Amino acid sequence: EADIYQTPRYLVIGTGKKITLECSQTMGHDKMYWYQQDPGMELHLIHYSYGVNSTEKGDLSSESTVSRIRTEHFPLTLESARPSHTSQYLCASRDSGYEQYFGPGTRLTVT
Amino acid sequence: RKEVEQDPGPFNVPEGATVAFNCTYSNSASQSFFWYRQDCRKEPKLLMSVYSSGNEDGRFTAQLNRASQYISLLIRDSKLSDSATYLCVARGGSQGNLIFGKGTKLSVKP
Repeated sequence: EADIYQTPRYLVIGTGKKITLECSQTMGHDKMYWYQQDPGMELHLIHYSYGVNSTEKGDLSSESTVSRIRTEHFPLTLESARPSHTSQYLCASRDSGYEQYFGPGTRLTVT
Repeated sequence: RKEVEQDPGPFNVPEGATVAFNCTYSNSASQSFFWYRQDCRKEPKLLMSVYSSGNEDGRFTAQLNRASQYISLLIRDSKLSDSATYLCVARGGSQGNLIFGKGTKLSVKP
């Protein structure tokens, strides 16, 4: 079983609020990822990191930002939430292999 | 054109049936391929990797045809617990990140 955690699991918040989605893993993986997935749609990579102080934007443009100050922690921040940000956000990590381990996800609703 | 395309589904099959999913990828430089399984409102989990020579894991068989840029997954003797969405995944691009298909939903009925 993968040791990767996301909080909160569900979040309903008003437009304009700043939010941070937390992701932590205890496996010591260098590589971490954030995906966005709308219902019935494919996962889209929005951010990734190959190690501490390394962050890159993914294939899908996102207004969110990420940081990687510690190996185990990869938070995602939205400075001003909008209804268009409503989605599921999935965090993942991997070691030198190719299997990605996913967290349980955060379902975000912006009203 | 999407980088990874899958059968639209849903597939509704009786227990014990054999079902096959197909997937095509557009980037000939893609290096590795996988099938992930995603249960309703859950995170994806790796089902199996796909090797050029084809590989089998119990009731599941995956095949890759690089010439046709085509991947398949065969499930034999379907169980109720196989009901899920199956994601075709290719690894490619300059950073080797994963590209996910939209998924094919399978529903196994008693």
